[in-house]
Order: sequence, then C-alpha cells, then structure tokens
Amino acid sequence: SQKIEQNSEALNIQEGKTATLTCNYTNYSPAYLQWYRQDPGRGPVFLLLIRENEKEKRKERLKVTFDTTLKQSLFHITASQPADSATYLCALQVHGNNRLAFGKGNQVVVIP
Amino acid sequence: EAQVTQNPRYLITVTGKKLTVTCSQNMNHEYMSWYRQDPGLGLRQIYYSMNVEVTDKGDVPEGYKVSRKEKRNFPLILESPSPNQTSLYFCASSLSVIYEQYFGPGTRLTVT
Repeated sequence: SQKIEQNSEALNIQEGKTATLTCNYTNYSPAYLQWYRQDPGRGPVFLLLIRENEKEKRKERLKVTFDTTLKQSLFHITASQPADSATYLCALQVHGNNRLAFGKGNQVVVIP
Repeated sequence: EAQVTQNPRYLITVTGKKLTVTCSQNMNHEYMSWYRQDPGLGLRQIYYSMNVEVTDKGDVPEGYKVSRKEKRNFPLILESPSPNQTSLYFCASSLSVIYEQYFGPGTRLTVT
C-alpha cells in the first residue's frame, strides 16, 4: 500500500541548532514533493517545493533534499528559533495523478 | 489580498441535517480541493477539482459531495452528516496540483 511516513514523535531542539525532519514514502513515484508548516488550528502554509530531478532546494534558513532512490526527503531548519515551533508536513503528487497526499506531520519544538 | 475563505468557521449540527461548507478563492486558481484533518490520521483529501465542472474523488469521498459551477467557488456538501464526519475541514486552491496549495482557515465541524 502507499505510505508517507513522518516521525510521530515531536522533535525538541535547542534554539540555534539545526532541526532535521524526514519524509519517507512507499509505493509512490512523485514528480514533486512539497513541505508545509502548520500552526495549531490553522491551515497549512506552503514552504518549499522540490522536483524529482532536483537534489536540493533552499529558502532562507530552510533546506530540502529529495532522494528518489532512497524514497526520502529531508527538511532542515538551520539556526532554529522558537518561532519555528510548529508541525511540518510533507506532501507529494503522484506521477500522472492529480491528487496530493500528505504525511501526518512532524512537530518541532524549539527551546529558547 | 490573495486568500481562500471558508464559511462557517465553526459548526455544530445533528446527525442527518444537510449542510454546506462554502469555499471561495480570489486568485483565479483552477485547482481546488477539500481536506479533512483528524488526530492521528493527518490531512486527507476528500475531493478535488481541476477546473469548472471537473471534479474527482480523493482518498475519503464517502459521505461528501462537491460542485464546481464557478471557478472561484467549491462548496462541500454533507447530505446526511454522521458523527464520524466530525473533523477539521480545509479548502485549498492552487494553479495546479504541482504548485503550492493555498489553504483556507479551516471549518471545525461537530456532528452530534
């Protein structure tokens, strides 16, 4: 069956350190993978999109990698700040399909 | 301001009483979709629409209907709500499934 897996345990990290989140997928062949941030009770907000032929994408303190061999994307927040505390979701579009599937999200808590 | 609006934001209703949750976007987006978010299950796509008069099922369409008569509006209809449809609902829009999704603020529905 198709699965998108993100760590269900919250990541507690000290301010200033780099937070790294993992998104693993099974039985998908995504052409694109997206990352979103969601705060409690609010809609997800888009952060980054990476294509299957891109290895890495950066935006300010955020970096995403995409390894189609490992079927994995890594999401990094460098120099983390308390304001980065949120849940981060990965989403992927299935090749040849018009649906978007989301992982369950990984909570990040940045400790001052 | 570019935005996706949903109404109502909160709704408590009883089993079997038909309801409609409206969704509207002002970005001229072609792709619109509805998601529900439940603890432990993440964000799941209910229905999506590629354009006016074009709709298709997502992962969990049972018990829901949608229509896309105009580009900007994509209402979600629950003809006979049941308690298992108690959830947080999000509408989203985008240029297409491969681009960033813009989410609405959410509708918290309780069916008793």
